[in-house]
Amino acid sequence: DQQVKQNSPSLSVQEGRISILNCDYTNSMFDYFLWYKKYPAEGPTFLISISSIKDKNEDGRFTVFLNKSAKHLSLHIVPSQPGDSAVYFCAASVAQKVTFGTGTKLQVIP
Amino acid sequence: NAGVTQTPKFQVLKTGQSMTLQCAQDMNHNSMYWYRQDPGMGLRLIYYSASEGTTDKGEVPNGYNVSRLNKREFSLRLESAAPSQTSVYFCASSDRANTEAFFGQGTRLTVV
Repeated sequence: DQQVKQNSPSLSVQEGRISILNCDYTNSMFDYFLWYKKYPAEGPTFLISISSIKDKNEDGRFTVFLNKSAKHLSLHIVPSQPGDSAVYFCAASVAQKVTFGTGTKLQVIP
Repeated sequence: NAGVTQTPKFQVLKTGQSMTLQCAQDMNHNSMYWYRQDPGMGLRLIYYSASEGTTDKGEVPNGYNVSRLNKREFSLRLESAAPSQTSVYFCASSDRANTEAFFGQGTRLTVV
């Protein structure tokens, strides 16, 4: 039972445009959500997070939106850059347990 | 600054062999995790340790054992490797589950 789902395995965006990556979850007990970025042959690296008591968090070009009623979060990257090409994982935590989604491969086309 | 160090980086095992994956962190983090990454499956939690002296099962614990040797080290053992355990294994650490986790570079394990 996949509690955290990323339904788009891949996404292509032109450089300079907005990238929107989506994530849905089923467990209403999740209280913290995180996004990670992963390049090939490397471990994931943390990007941005949001607490369940908030609906938006911004950090530079990255913004995460949380819609608790829809159990949906999204990551917006504006403007997208070629170096953003990577696999993006959303993750959700409750207690000490963190559950990851299946990932979305983002390609930013120069 | 080493962060999270995993050894080995690559390993090939025969079915039935045993091995231990080592992980150490130098950030004084309380929590440590072992994940496996398989194509189309994302990162799945095998075991985690919320603090020194405690370990708990994640989503896919069968076939694995762990030891939190001290605050720095968290090892993952495969007692009798199976081809289904062919995967990339990542160790991670964090101060708490709702703070950013730092990942090692991964161990690519092939069981033949």
